[in-house]
Amino acid sequence: DAKTTQPPSMDCAEGRAANLPCNHSTISGNEYVYWYRQIHSQGPQYIIHGLKNNETNEMASLIITEDRKSSTLILPHATLRDTAVYYCIVRVAVNNAGNMLTFGGGTRLMVKP
Amino acid sequence: NAGVMQNPRHLVRRRGQEARLRCSPMKGHSHVYWYRQLPEEGLKFMVYLQKENIIDESGMPKERFSAEFPKEGPSILRIQQVVRGDSAAYFCASSAMGTGELFFGEGSRLTVL
Repeated sequence: DAKTTQPPSMDCAEGRAANLPCNHSTISGNEYVYWYRQIHSQGPQYIIHGLKNNETNEMASLIITEDRKSSTLILPHATLRDTAVYYCIVRVAVNNAGNMLTFGGGTRLMVKP
Repeated sequence: NAGVMQNPRHLVRRRGQEARLRCSPMKGHSHVYWYRQLPEEGLKFMVYLQKENIIDESGMPKERFSAEFPKEGPSILRIQQVVRGDSAAYFCASSAMGTGELFFGEGSRLTVL
């Protein structure tokens, strides 16, 4: 799986958009970009994933650059409950080795009132 | 549709005792993954199982740790002769065949005295 690079921490004001960047310059053509988050002491939670088109769901939007070497997770109106560690993971959707995810250090997002 | 269920949520053991952690995957999911998270550290993959088969145990310590996912019943992560360094949160995740989305449980927190 391709390696990702994320800033270790970010702050965001409550009610504002949180934009979390991720670099994945070695991504392969069949690799997806996944985002998970882990709120303190809880299990990781799936947020969104995409291949090359931008994606949006009820939680967030995912913007992937045209060359697919980087992406941005957008939380449009951050709340205090969005304070968490956000993980960007790049991997194929299915492979013979199974679907396990490799978690890096992630970005610790602090939403402040 | 119940999510991934882990129990116990908290377990205290003395050095040398055995710890058994159980994980019931989401209904319809046949793939189970175990991760470990040491205090203030990231999630580390341990083992990936399908029913009655260990697919990938590359993250499992060579001694004292074992995992199973029997035909009937939950997946079990077993730690024999626990040591203080085994104190951690152990997360289980499950997925359906052919998808990259993993659903995590709330974790089992092991404390070794």
